[in-house]
Amino acid sequence: NAGVTQTPKFQVLKTGQSMTLQCAQDMNHNSMYWYRQDPGMGLRLIYYSASEGTTDKGEVPNGYNVSRLNKREFSLRLESAAPSQTSVYFCASNEGPEAFFGQGTRLTVV
Amino acid sequence: RKEVEQDPGPFNVPEGATVAFNCTYSNSASQSFFWYRQDCRKEPKLLMSVYSSGNEDGRFTAQLNRASQYISLLIRDSKLSDSATYLCVVPPFSGSARQLTFGSGTQLTVLP
Repeated sequence: NAGVTQTPKFQVLKTGQSMTLQCAQDMNHNSMYWYRQDPGMGLRLIYYSASEGTTDKGEVPNGYNVSRLNKREFSLRLESAAPSQTSVYFCASNEGPEAFFGQGTRLTVV
Repeated sequence: RKEVEQDPGPFNVPEGATVAFNCTYSNSASQSFFWYRQDCRKEPKLLMSVYSSGNEDGRFTAQLNRASQYISLLIRDSKLSDSATYLCVVPPFSGSARQLTFGSGTQLTVLP
């Protein structure tokens, strides 16, 4: 039972480069989320998807785009990475009250 | 006012101590609340839920005060392994945008 799988686990980008963070869940959940976590800031919501085909902005969406490819997958794209996007990114999903998280992606933008 | 606010911490306590964290929420319509635990450099995981007045699980007690709109987490007889960040979470409820709102977390270090 894989739960929520995120790739990659680590990534270093140069300023201006683009990349996509992948997330997949095998629990048949409708809701999926992307968060970023910075020291002392807690988890901040970037985007979320309440169901396949729908996405909504969260607290900090600027500089990111998302795609809910199907019910299983929810990807996060950085079109032109900036040092301010250095962070740990978590994908999560839920159906009921408990959320399940991926292991996180540690992204450094230099 | 933020939707969810937590004690900033950090809390440094000796092994065996009792420690309590608070979390305040702004939306009086919220029906249920959760505490998640996050170990260093790991993903958050569900610790306890609070649906009514409270919930107890071994050394951990979570309580809800609807009148004052806060929840608390009490840890008795602290162990070194309790060292982590504790996140308060307000999940989706009927009529709201379906998103999870996290507090910023309270860092606990249990000292030998």
